[in-house]
Amino acid sequence: DVVMTQSPLSLPVTLGQPASMSCRSSQSLVYSDGDTYLNWFQQRPGQSPRRLIYKVSNRDSGVPDRFSGSGSGTEFTLKISRVEAEDVGVYYCIQGSWWPPTFGLGTRVEIK
Amino acid sequence: QVQLVQSGAEVKKPGASMRVSCEASGYTFTSYGIGWVRQAPGRGLEWLGWISGHNDKTNYAQKVQGRVTMTTDTSTNTAYMELSALRSDDTAVYYCARVDWYYYDPNGYSEIDYWGPGTPVTVSS
Repeated sequence: DVVMTQSPLSLPVTLGQPASMSCRSSQSLVYSDGDTYLNWFQQRPGQSPRRLIYKVSNRDSGVPDRFSGSGSGTEFTLKISRVEAEDVGVYYCIQGSWWPPTFGLGTRVEIK
Repeated sequence: QVQLVQSGAEVKKPGASMRVSCEASGYTFTSYGIGWVRQAPGRGLEWLGWISGHNDKTNYAQKVQGRVTMTTDTSTNTAYMELSALRSDDTAVYYCARVDWYYYDPNGYSEIDYWGPGTPVTVSS
């Protein structure tokens, strides 16, 4: 199975400041159709995961534009331009280019 | 709007079986599959398997193969996951999620979007 490695595991941030987290895959996530099925999910405390970004950089409906995804091949990044209190939680990258889907261990975002 | 509603919390003894349900609404149930994922306390997400919404095709994770059975009832748009021979390390929150898998290719792409609220399962003597 494809191994997803996220860093850092913990990310203390100041409200209003930017935050950035990384995700690396053990194999290229470019599928034969040319798309890259790399998603970012947010899991707030006590809630189920919510998808923020699909196919590397596409924001889901209702996701604030302070969230942005980028990357290619095996290296991906999720950025929050200005962290708000509601952004506290764990962020997971999940790949869907290879079966079965696999998950990173998550990056925990907390307020300093 | 897409909604996945799961059954309530369960407490089971080691060796027993559990069954979690996931009722879908807001989309055509037979157009998507349902995936099952669990999260042990303080741990990350673990993939358990997938079932088609229209033809009973399943694909189970090796770790639970032989103990897990996934089924659907298209008359009620409900998916079920049964796990047998429970152990203490099966204690987790069990989630269902809507999963579109291009299974015509064994390594086909998949897309996960909506998740249910989760069902806590505790296995303890």
